[in-house]
Amino acid sequence: GAGVSQTPSNKVTEKGKYVELRCDPISGHTALYWYRQSLGQGPEFLIYFQGTGAADDSGLPNDRFFAVRPEGSVSTLKIQRTERGDSAVYLCASSPTPRGGTDTQYFGPGTRLTVL
Amino acid sequence: DAKTTQPPSMDCAEGRAANLPCNHSTISGNEYVYWYRQIHSQGPQYIIHGLKNNETNEMASLIITEDRKSSTLILPHATLRDTAVYYCIVLRRGTGRRALTFGSGTRLQVQP
Repeated sequence: GAGVSQTPSNKVTEKGKYVELRCDPISGHTALYWYRQSLGQGPEFLIYFQGTGAADDSGLPNDRFFAVRPEGSVSTLKIQRTERGDSAVYLCASSPTPRGGTDTQYFGPGTRLTVL
Repeated sequence: DAKTTQPPSMDCAEGRAANLPCNHSTISGNEYVYWYRQIHSQGPQYIIHGLKNNETNEMASLIITEDRKSSTLILPHATLRDTAVYYCIVLRRGTGRRALTFGSGTRLQVQP
């Protein structure tokens, strides 16, 4: 079956611009996660959705970062006034409902964001 | 969630077993051990997880010590495609916190 998909695969933008990154989770998965991975490091958690609501946004670095999941499926990560330090691979993952299920997270291929 | 310690890198000959250790000495009773791997330029991939019993699936085996303070991921017959960074993660299930905390992992290089 189809896995987690992310678009675009690469995004180059200029400092100060606004960007949106999209994640399509595995069909039926109620949980969705965003992570960020800088070069040479492991992924770092940003935000977790259970359904439409953000259950844990403790990893968002500042208020320039925002994410939505209006219908409980597709999610968009939005970054305002991008900075060069935002350059990283942004990873999305999804998992089945945790109640009675596993916590296995299935990751997409990521979006490589480059801020010039 | 408990912190984990892994060696930064390991080599393994193709066809041989790869044994990747992980120390999680502060693990508590309701925390699980998860293993993920990340092949270059791909998203992390789930491998296996366990609580206290040894586990085996089609990808690997997970051996957890009786005191649960360490574990070993075993790839029984490593291939070149197993070259990746392997992450050992401790996660408390059944709570609101679901984020995976990735450390630096072990970079496994399978040699031909």
